[in-house]
Amino acid sequence: DTEVTQTPKHLVMGMTNKKSLKCEQHMGHRAMYWYKQKAKKPPELMFVYSYEKLSINESVPSRFSPECPNSSLLNLHLHALQPEDSALYLCASSLSQGNTNYGYTFGSGTRLTVV
Amino acid sequence: GESVGLHLPTLSVQEGDNSIINCAYSNSASDYFIWYKQESGKGPQFIIDIRSNMDKRQGQRVTVLLNKTVKHLSLQIAATQPGDSAVYFCAENRGRGKLIFGQGTELSVKP
Repeated sequence: DTEVTQTPKHLVMGMTNKKSLKCEQHMGHRAMYWYKQKAKKPPELMFVYSYEKLSINESVPSRFSPECPNSSLLNLHLHALQPEDSALYLCASSLSQGNTNYGYTFGSGTRLTVV
Repeated sequence: GESVGLHLPTLSVQEGDNSIINCAYSNSASDYFIWYKQESGKGPQFIIDIRSNMDKRQGQRVTVLLNKTVKHLSLQIAATQPGDSAVYFCAENRGRGKLIFGQGTELSVKP
């Protein structure tokens, strides 16, 4: 298995809703990442997990809450989002935080719309 | 501030021609660079990478050139095909797993 799987593919949520994005990989990668990508813009790093522990938080607002329950799963919990948070949320993984040979393996993303 | 950027936001080429996509970076300490292809509705896909101890690296129909003197990176695609139409990003490894992406170039291939 050489894929990163993200669910759901599309999500529409209200500003008072709580929802979660899910990411899964079975490549034995020990580093996992969340990126946010606005339309026509490059991906921007949000969080880095290394061996299931949060390693980097790029000053992301607390309405985004990441969780890594095990080495294969990464979640992003969403609460009280704003319309400007609408974006493509990408999950990625790599062998380890210090080994990004061949870059990351990215999932196809969750297209989030906040209404 | 430090950034990784691309010179042209869009590039249109004829099918069969060669494409050249450029990228400028400002962090002279960067030692690893990656080119990604992103098709509509998909995540970025690894194309080719290069380390700073190299000037050139070739893959299948793609070549990456690195000029450290002027901090410039380019991606050359030979015999461009319609399936090459996508947005291309260069990315710079800043360490600790942090990849910083350039602004992207949208490649359009005319049949």
